[in-house]
Amino acid sequence: DAKTTQPPSMDCAEGRAANLPCNHSTISGNEYVYWYRQIHSQGPQYIIHGLKNNETNEMASLIITEDRKSSTLILPHATLRDTAVYYCIVRGQTGANNLFFGTGTRLTVYSL
Amino acid sequence: NAGVTQTPKFRILKIGQSMTLQCTQDMNHNYMYWYRQDPGMGLKLIYYSVGAGITDKGEVPNGYNVSRSTTEDFPLRLELAAPSQTSVYFCASSEQGLFDYGYTFGSGTRLTVV
Repeated sequence: DAKTTQPPSMDCAEGRAANLPCNHSTISGNEYVYWYRQIHSQGPQYIIHGLKNNETNEMASLIITEDRKSSTLILPHATLRDTAVYYCIVRGQTGANNLFFGTGTRLTVYSL
Repeated sequence: NAGVTQTPKFRILKIGQSMTLQCTQDMNHNYMYWYRQDPGMGLKLIYYSVGAGITDKGEVPNGYNVSRSTTEDFPLRLELAAPSQTSVYFCASSEQGLFDYGYTFGSGTRLTVV
C-alpha cells in the first residue's frame, strides 16, 4: 500500500473550515484514499473515502487532485468536538493485510 | 447494537504474567483485527482473522497469540508480559475485508506492564 505524508499538527478556529492535506505520490491506480479520525485515544472512526472523484458526506468533503498524488479533507464548519488526530490512508478496497495508519495530523479546533 | 466490545478497559500486569484481552462483535462481520497503539504513534496490526478458525499474523505478532473459534469472538493472548507490550490495544471488525465504512473499532484496552 502507498505511504502518505501529513503535517503533524494544524489549528483551526471554531466555525471555520478545516482543510487537512495529504500527499500520496506513490498511489497506484486501484488504491483508494481513506480518512479516519481518532478522538482522544478512542478507536479510529471512519470519515470518508474516494478513488478519483471528489466526495462529500454528512461529515466532510474529500478533494482528490487530478493526478491523484494528493488530497484534502475538508471539515466545512469545524467544532470543538472535531479536535482529533486525522489519518489519511491509501490502500486497495479489499483484503485484510496491513492497514498503515501513520502518525496522522493532530487537528486542534479552538474557540475565537 | 453494541458494535465491537473490548474488555477490560484498563489492566496493569507484572512482567511475566499472562492475560487475555477479550473482543466481541455483534455485526456478524467475518474479518476481525487486533491493533496496538504506542504513545504518539499510529496503529500497528498484530493479528487478523478472515473467519472462524482462520487467523494470520500482522506486522507485530511476536509475544501474542489469537484464536477465532466463533464469528463473534477474537481474543488476544499475552503469554509472558513484557514492558514493551505496554500499549493501547484496539480490536476491529469488518465485513468481507472491505475497507469501506467497514472497519468498526472497539474503545480499546489500556495495558501497562510493570
